[in-house]
Amino acid sequence: GQNIDQPTEMTATEGAIVQINCTYQTSGFNGLFWYQQHAGEAPTFLSYNVLDGLEEKGRFSSFLSRSKGYSYLLLKELQMKDSASYLCAVTGGGNKLTFGTGTQLKVEL
Amino acid sequence: EAGVVQSPRYKIIEKKQPVAFWCNPISGHNTLYWYRQNLGQGPELLIRYENEEAVDDSQLPKDRFSAERLKGVDSTLKIQPAELGDSAVYLCASSISRGSYNEQFFGPGTRLTVL
Repeated sequence: GQNIDQPTEMTATEGAIVQINCTYQTSGFNGLFWYQQHAGEAPTFLSYNVLDGLEEKGRFSSFLSRSKGYSYLLLKELQMKDSASYLCAVTGGGNKLTFGTGTQLKVEL
Repeated sequence: EAGVVQSPRYKIIEKKQPVAFWCNPISGHNTLYWYRQNLGQGPELLIRYENEEAVDDSQLPKDRFSAERLKGVDSTLKIQPAELGDSAVYLCASSISRGSYNEQFFGPGTRLTVL
């Protein structure tokens, strides 16, 4: 089975940097995804990591350490519109995603 | 290009009533998923289709839930009879291969309230 842990809530200031952590325990691993979900809306894809290291995409970066079962999503130059839930999800293969409970990020002035 | 379409967006029913949700995936996406998302939780997979075949329905409560994707395009998820605990957002997604991974695209969801 899959077990995914991420903090329930985080608060950060506009313009700052925030790191959202995710730890996982899986019986098989074929990649880790981060999704963003604004309230009342559908999750949207942010990133995918399957190899160790950092993947950078604009203001967002995602890191993976397979040996530690650990990932983080780094958001730079925070904007108010970044207030959302950030979902960590793991796939063990076969197109099946197991999601964490999500981290609700609140960006304040 | 149109995204994943779901209807209705909202549904309020009384317990023991039946309800059905419809999903039309992105054109060309062979894989279709139904998820349930409870408040403050991540989506949980109910069923996954590859074309018209249900390849993973292990999390679908088969006593009251059913799904179909007869022509391998659009899909319907049904609950009969609905229970209070079925109140949730039902998300449909479809995916496309990006080589090393499959990117899932989600629809806006149907918010079900069972009274």
